[in-house]
Amino acid sequence: RKEVEQDPGPFNVPEGATVAFNCTYSNSASQSFFWYRQDCRKEPKLLMSVYSSGNEDGRFTAQLNRASQYISLLIRDSKLSDSATYLCVVTMAQGGSEKLVFGKGTKLTVNP
Amino acid sequence: EPEVTQTPSHQVTQMGQEVILRCVPISNHLYFYWYRQILGQKVEFLVSFYNNEISEKSEIFDDQFSVERPDGSNFTLKIRSTKLEDSAMYFCASSEWGGYANEKLFFGSGTQLSVL
Repeated sequence: RKEVEQDPGPFNVPEGATVAFNCTYSNSASQSFFWYRQDCRKEPKLLMSVYSSGNEDGRFTAQLNRASQYISLLIRDSKLSDSATYLCVVTMAQGGSEKLVFGKGTKLTVNP
Repeated sequence: EPEVTQTPSHQVTQMGQEVILRCVPISNHLYFYWYRQILGQKVEFLVSFYNNEISEKSEIFDDQFSVERPDGSNFTLKIRSTKLEDSAMYFCASSEWGGYANEKLFFGSGTQLSVL
């Protein structure tokens, strides 16, 4: 099983649509979870952290299910500016510290 | 917002040549990282650096790679003898704290390395 696995995508949706991305991770000991956004040929940027209780930031809602090792991101009322690749990111312990492990990403295109 | 600065933005080199990628982390940050992303692939961890030494490295970070913080502000990644497969976008990142505070990881805009 891959360390972090995401929907292969791509997703093409009209403006205003609701879109959901899924992610699974292999290491049950992972402690921290994030969604990053990456525009074409740019650096990853933190979109939001994901907490066990679920969390919301405006149009974005993230959920975590530790038992299933599953993370989701829901985008409501999608905008053209939401077009990007969404990266599921999980921390994994390595020796005495942690590293970020990235999924391959799911590309979203929001169309007018 | 403070930012991590990387230079150059693009680097073209011949196979077998040495390259040095430069990064200026955010000034009060203590933890520094290099990641890379081959075109169309996922972002991969290379190395983390704290207190002037490597704290962790991946299997990608072999003897051809080295990191250095030569002057207290710059953080460099050196590839001694580049291979075609080293062609990738290299991202530097820094954080104030290590561990769980990876959520405060700030990435630079990257250096696109092309090995010919």
